[in-house]
Amino acid sequence: GAGVSQSPSNKVTEKGKDVELRCDPISGHTALYWYRQSLGQGLEFLIYFQGNSAPDKSGLPSDRFSAERTGGSVSTLTIQRTQQEDSAVYLCASSTLGGGAETQYFGPGTRLLVL
Amino acid sequence: QKEVEQDPGPLSVPEGAIVSLNCTYSNSAFQYFMWYRQYSRKGPELLMYTYSSGNKEDGRFTAQVDKSSKYISLFIRDSQPSDSATYLCAMGDAGNNRKLIWGLGTSLAVNP
Repeated sequence: GAGVSQSPSNKVTEKGKDVELRCDPISGHTALYWYRQSLGQGLEFLIYFQGNSAPDKSGLPSDRFSAERTGGSVSTLTIQRTQQEDSAVYLCASSTLGGGAETQYFGPGTRLLVL
Repeated sequence: QKEVEQDPGPLSVPEGAIVSLNCTYSNSAFQYFMWYRQYSRKGPELLMYTYSSGNKEDGRFTAQVDKSSKYISLFIRDSQPSDSATYLCAMGDAGNNRKLIWGLGTSLAVNP
């Protein structure tokens, strides 16, 4: 079946512009995660959605970052007024029940470059 | 000190070698431990999952957890060029919304 998909695969933007990154999780997966992966920094947790519960936003690095998940499926991560330090690979993952004990299935990521 | 420490490498071995990858951690509440493999320009994929202490074997891969030492290992026997990837350890506990804490990843190259 279809895995997690993300779009765009690459994004180049100018400093100060807003960007939107999209994630389509595996159908039926109730949990969705966003991570950021930078060279030498590993995977950095950003936000977690589980069903209809309030999202865990504790990993968002600043108020320029926000995310929503519509209808319990597709999610969009928005970065406002992008900065050069936002350049990274943004990964989305989904799982069936939510929580680290379940296998997280990752998308291929969106490579963001802020000039 | 980071909650999870992992040597980023890079590690380069000849084909057929035994590879040992390791992570140490500081949070004694961690109960489940995972190894993910990430190929270049791909997302990570789960390779091994272990709950609590002990060993788990799957083909050429063996995962070990030593909770007393707060140390986990992944062994790869008869390594193949297709094993060339970055290996990330991840761990978590039942609390804290069950978020995973990730190592930096170790880059492995298996040379034919």
